[in-house]
Amino acid sequence: DAGVIQSPRHEVTEMGQEVTLRCKPISGHDYLFWYRQTMMRGLELLIYFNNNVPIDDSGMPEDRFSAKVPNASFSTLKIQPSEPRDSAVYFCASSTLWVDEQFFGPGTRLTVL
Amino acid sequence: KNEVEQSPQNLTAQEGEFITINCSYSVGISALHWLQQHPGGGIVSLFMLSSGKKKHGRLIATINIQEKHSSLHITASHPRDSAVYICAARGAGGGADGLTFGKGTHLIIQP
Repeated sequence: DAGVIQSPRHEVTEMGQEVTLRCKPISGHDYLFWYRQTMMRGLELLIYFNNNVPIDDSGMPEDRFSAKVPNASFSTLKIQPSEPRDSAVYFCASSTLWVDEQFFGPGTRLTVL
Repeated sequence: KNEVEQSPQNLTAQEGEFITINCSYSVGISALHWLQQHPGGGIVSLFMLSSGKKKHGRLIATINIQEKHSSLHITASHPRDSAVYICAARGAGGGADGLTFGKGTHLIIQP
């Protein structure tokens, strides 16, 4: 397996634009996680899914953020409209069980100008 | 919400030294993760443990549930161990407990 795949690896956009980050989890993994990492706050869990269903989105900063898992092999994290404070590295991870090791994607570095 | 504290924040050591990184948390957990983040940014899961001790190569992780404390040890440290090490506490429940991360320990091993 190629591991968790994220795209794009880098995204630069202007404030107010819509941004879509993509994640392909490891095949067979039922749990999918979206994280954000900044210098100030470190790593934060934004939302996670089990079998394509959102379980906990309490980490999503505000309504501008949305995430979904349309099918078992693909997830998106959307920011609309984007703001400079959204600049961060966004990681996707997947695991077989809630209490299992997570495998991280390479991350998407987002810069909002 | 769990409070996760790591120490030290920064650590510079010479090659071959024994390294210890500490992690403490405030609320009971179901498991604790140790992650390694390479200088290029990639994150690798090193250990997941809920009790006792685990060993993988030169890395050892221990956890004391009663004291709410975990340590990551590196024996015979090497420059390639230079990275940020992050601990993460997984809540006892499956919902809002989620995962709470420490701020990380930036380790530099000098040759």
